[in-house]
Amino acid sequence: NAGVTQTPKFRVLKTGQSMTLLCAQDMNHEYMYWYRQDPGMGLRLIHYSVGEGTTAKGEVPDGYNVSRLKKQNFLLGLESAAPSQTSVYFCASSPDYYEQYFGPGTRLTVT
Amino acid sequence: AQKITQTQPGMFVQEKEAVTLDCTYDTSDPSYGLFWYKQPSSGEMIFLIYQGSYDQQNATEGRYSLNFQKARKSANLVISASQLGDSAMYFCAMRVKGAQKLVFGQGTRLTINP
Repeated sequence: NAGVTQTPKFRVLKTGQSMTLLCAQDMNHEYMYWYRQDPGMGLRLIHYSVGEGTTAKGEVPDGYNVSRLKKQNFLLGLESAAPSQTSVYFCASSPDYYEQYFGPGTRLTVT
Repeated sequence: AQKITQTQPGMFVQEKEAVTLDCTYDTSDPSYGLFWYKQPSSGEMIFLIYQGSYDQQNATEGRYSLNFQKARKSANLVISASQLGDSAMYFCAMRVKGAQKLVFGQGTRLTINP
C-alpha cells in the first residue's frame, strides 16, 4: 500500500513552460486535492475533486488546471509557468470528512 | 469565512517537557472538524489528531492530546514528554462540514533541545 504518491519530486521550469504534476493514490478514496505551500505559510487549496470525472476550484486556482479521468489519479497542470508559482505542491486524498492523507510533495521552481 | 490563527511562530522546549501549541479558530458553522498535522524537515505532512465540534471529550492519540475549548474557539495541541524527533513545523487546520478544503494556520516551528 503506497498511499499517496507524487511525480516528480523536484522540477525546475523556465517562465512560460508547461508541465503536469501527477498524483496517484491506491486507497480507493473518492476525494482528492491539490495544495500549494509557500514559505512561512500553511497550505492553500488550489483545486479538488469529489470523484472521478469531477473537479472544482479551491482558494487559489488561477494559472492551474486539473483533471481526474481515473479515480486513482489527479493531475495538476501549469500551462504557462510564472515565478509566482514557485512553491511546494502537495496532493492529498480523503475517504470522507475526516483526515486527508498527503503525498510527499513536489518542489517546483520557476525561473 | 473560516480562519485559523497560530500565534507562536517558534517554540523551544527541553526534551521530556510537555509542550502546548496554540490554535484559535473562527467559524460561524456549528459543525466542523479540527486537525493537527506535523511537518518534519523532510517535508511530508503527517496527520496527528482530530477533534469534531460535537465531540464531548478531548481527543487523544498517544502522546498527543487536543485541548478543545469550544467557547473560546481554541484547539491547542499538547505533546507530553517531548522527544528530539518532535522537532518540526506543526499546523492546525479546520474543515467545515460540507466543505472540501482544509483551512490551515501559518504553523508553529517546534524545536526540542536535548
